[in-house]
Amino acid sequence: NAGVTQTPKFQVLKTGQSMTLQCAQDMNHNSMYWYRQDPGMGLRLIYYSASEGTTDKGEVPNGYNVSRLNKREFSLRLESAAPSQTSVYFCASLQDGSSYEQYFGPGTRLTVT
Amino acid sequence: AQSVTQPDIHITVSEGASLELRCNYSYGATPYLFWYVQSPGQGLQLLLKYFSGDTLVQGIKGFEAEFKRSQSSFNLRKPSVHWSDAAEYFCAVGGLHTGRRALTFGSGTRLQVQP
Repeated sequence: NAGVTQTPKFQVLKTGQSMTLQCAQDMNHNSMYWYRQDPGMGLRLIYYSASEGTTDKGEVPNGYNVSRLNKREFSLRLESAAPSQTSVYFCASLQDGSSYEQYFGPGTRLTVT
Repeated sequence: AQSVTQPDIHITVSEGASLELRCNYSYGATPYLFWYVQSPGQGLQLLLKYFSGDTLVQGIKGFEAEFKRSQSSFNLRKPSVHWSDAAEYFCAVGGLHTGRRALTFGSGTRLQVQP
């Protein structure tokens, strides 16, 4: 039982390049999330998916797209990377039920030059 | 606007001293409350959580937190800090955006421990 996994762990992009961050969970959770972490700002929600086939914007969705490929996988795509997207990206899944207890992946550290 | 505030950006304590990290939230109802810890270069580890019931909750690594409804606070405490507690601590609140079931995070408090 791996929990929430993310690939890659580190990535360096040049401005304008594209890439996809991968996330998978093996806990059979319906809801999945993408957050970004920036110094002094905590974690901010980019996109979330309440169930397979549905996605919705969070606080900071501009410049990103997501795909909920199936129940296990939720990917985040940067179509044209910008230096402002340099950040640490965390994927999370939500334990089903009435609580808000989320399980986080180890993060992807992205640098855009 | 509904929000989570951690007023202390950086705290330094001596090893063995007590610790209290503050967290306040702005929300009309009782939210779901969490404290996470992040060591340098690492992911988030859940320290403790409060959903309902006893307002003093115990977590891992000797941490505890107390929910005070009247003050809209959920402060994290530890009676005796160890050098290994040096990390960044995040308070998080669920329920501020019920449709999303997402967490809203404070900006974090970085803890430094002096020998």
